[in-house]
Amino acid sequence: QKEVEQDPGPLSVPEGAIVSLNCTYSNSAFQYFMWYRQYSRKGPELLMYTYSSGNKEDGRFTAQVDKSSKYISLFIRDSQPSDSATYLCAMRKTGGFKTIFGAGTRLFVKA
Amino acid sequence: DTAVSQTPKYLVTQMGNDKSIKCEQNLGHDTMYWYKQDSKKFLKIMFSYNNKELIINETVPNRFSPKSPDKAHLNLHINSLELGDSAVYFCASSQGTSGGPGDTQYFGPGTRLTVL
Repeated sequence: QKEVEQDPGPLSVPEGAIVSLNCTYSNSAFQYFMWYRQYSRKGPELLMYTYSSGNKEDGRFTAQVDKSSKYISLFIRDSQPSDSATYLCAMRKTGGFKTIFGAGTRLFVKA
Repeated sequence: DTAVSQTPKYLVTQMGNDKSIKCEQNLGHDTMYWYKQDSKKFLKIMFSYNNKELIINETVPNRFSPKSPDKAHLNLHINSLELGDSAVYFCASSQGTSGGPGDTQYFGPGTRLTVL
């Protein structure tokens, strides 16, 4: 079993839809949870960062962490064609050197 | 004003050749990383250096050798290239290694390696 599981998609939605992206993980020692966005032929860039459990909101983006279920989510409201990208979840332990990435979910938002 | 830069952007070479990829960051960060992203977009850490000291060395063939001449540079040399080495290689940097909010990793644009 991989440490981090993420459905690779692709996920195709119409413009304006609410998008839900998810990851599950197996290691309860993970404390830092991140979402990266990667456009085609570009490097990943950090989108959202959450420590431990709870929600964090930034504009149209909301990150949720449920440590009891080992489940993290990223919600995108009012999705735009410019949101079309691969979204990678990532996590690491406190004091850990390594960031473990999910496989990434490809999202297409149709105009 | 690129924060993390890599050269070359594209690399096409024959099996058995030796090649190098260079990475430079101008963010003043202490930690640098090499990642490999395969065709299925799976991003996997290979190496990490903190203040020029190797701190992560994943299960990578010893044909891959990182070198950090100073904190701002981390190069990757690959000997005897194989077909399975074809991938996109990303360099990244972060301020520290604690994993806290201040340790966001910034990625370079990637080097697309194709081995024929």
